[in-house]
Amino acid sequence: GAGVSQSPSNKVTEKGKDVELRCDPISGHTALYWYRQSLGQGLEFLIYFQGNSAPDKSGLPSDRFSAERTGGSVSTLTIQRTQQEDSAVYLCASSLEWGGLETQYFGPGTRLLVL
Amino acid sequence: AQSVAQPEDQVNVAEGNPLTVKCTYSVSGNPYLFWYVQYPNRGLQFLLKYITGDNLVKGSYGFEAEFNKSQTSFHLKKPSALVSDSALYFCAVRDPLSGGYNKLIFGAGTRLAVHP
Repeated sequence: GAGVSQSPSNKVTEKGKDVELRCDPISGHTALYWYRQSLGQGLEFLIYFQGNSAPDKSGLPSDRFSAERTGGSVSTLTIQRTQQEDSAVYLCASSLEWGGLETQYFGPGTRLLVL
Repeated sequence: AQSVAQPEDQVNVAEGNPLTVKCTYSVSGNPYLFWYVQYPNRGLQFLLKYITGDNLVKGSYGFEAEFNKSQTSFHLKKPSALVSDSALYFCAVRDPLSGGYNKLIFGAGTRLAVHP
């Protein structure tokens, strides 16, 4: 597609439920990133995928958070047993390669509200 | 530890006047610096980046930024502001020498308000 797409656009869930957020990167982009944007916390890195390499999970805030990337393309971020502090906008980005030189292009985000 | 500071929560400017959005950074080694803009209910849009070379970088929508190594700054500028430039602006750095150098470290963001 023309850009990074994410679904759903908005998600409202109850505390304790699991949620799955989806990201479709730009075609041909081998690197994929998840970030979280929340009030008072700004934008924070969550996880990074590059090709078939092991992902960099160093930004995941707890073991309730996990992500996978199937076939080197679509990625799913899963939050188990959601808490109210998980409410945020979850942004996905992709880039051509890793190495620090390539621009990351962001999707529109998924706005998650945990009641 | 690497960090990015955007000292102004909000910048107000009149349409037609020049604008500056400030950014300073702290990284080990040479920084890779980025500016992104976020319009309401939208994702981040890339504006420009500095990797190496000329200190003055030109980007989208008439924006430019000047890399100043001695002051560790990367201020965003535009000669003549438009009302449509009103948005949230983020400065970010990627440190190529850090262990997690594929991450972007973002500033807290600066809200730009351009008044007619």
